[in-house]
Amino acid sequence: SAVISQKPSRDICQRGTSLTIQCQVDSQVTMMFWYRQQPGQSLTLIATANQGSEATYESGFVIDKFPISRPNLTFSTLTVSNMSPEDSSIYLCSTRGGRTEAFFGQGTRLTVV
Amino acid sequence: GQQVMQIPQYQHVQEGEDFTTYCNSSTTLSNIQWYKQRPGGHPVFLIQLVKSGEVKKQKRLTFQFGEAKKNSSLHITATQTTDVGTYFCAHSGAGSYQLTFGKGTKLSVIP
Repeated sequence: SAVISQKPSRDICQRGTSLTIQCQVDSQVTMMFWYRQQPGQSLTLIATANQGSEATYESGFVIDKFPISRPNLTFSTLTVSNMSPEDSSIYLCSTRGGRTEAFFGQGTRLTVV
Repeated sequence: GQQVMQIPQYQHVQEGEDFTTYCNSSTTLSNIQWYKQRPGGHPVFLIQLVKSGEVKKQKRLTFQFGEAKKNSSLHITATQTTDVGTYFCAHSGAGSYQLTFGKGTKLSVIP
């Protein structure tokens, strides 16, 4: 199993600013995943982050908007850049134990005003 | 990954009634997972099914994977208020670690 500490848990940000979300895992993991969950909606994968390589982004998400860092096997950050109200959402980091269950951080509830 | 259709979107039940959510795919799935997300919480893994026709039980929860591996269901017997939340199915392609989630079924239980 893996325990993921994600912070901040929530934030209210001004449009045009950037917010960096951090996730710390209690064990070394190969892959980390970043999801966006809009209110009342499902989880949409933003990108997959492997240590030592650039993140792989899903269709509709770009590195300039959502830069990701993965400096080691226990840590990752996602930055939401140049925010607009449309970026208001819950952002979740995740990892998987092989091809079994996924573990999630507690989520970051972002409101852009 | 390939999309999965999850129905119903919402379900309101009286406490003690049963509840079922369905996940359907147009193509064969390698596996299916189920997660529960409590209001204000994050998704929590419930089960993974990989075999055709597989049935697994966890107390009042019964999970099924269809014979053709194109559909799955989660059934809760005698719902309780603690069952409130959104239930998501998810799957990953063969050889892939990325999960694709269904849209979820939001369960409300009226005491």
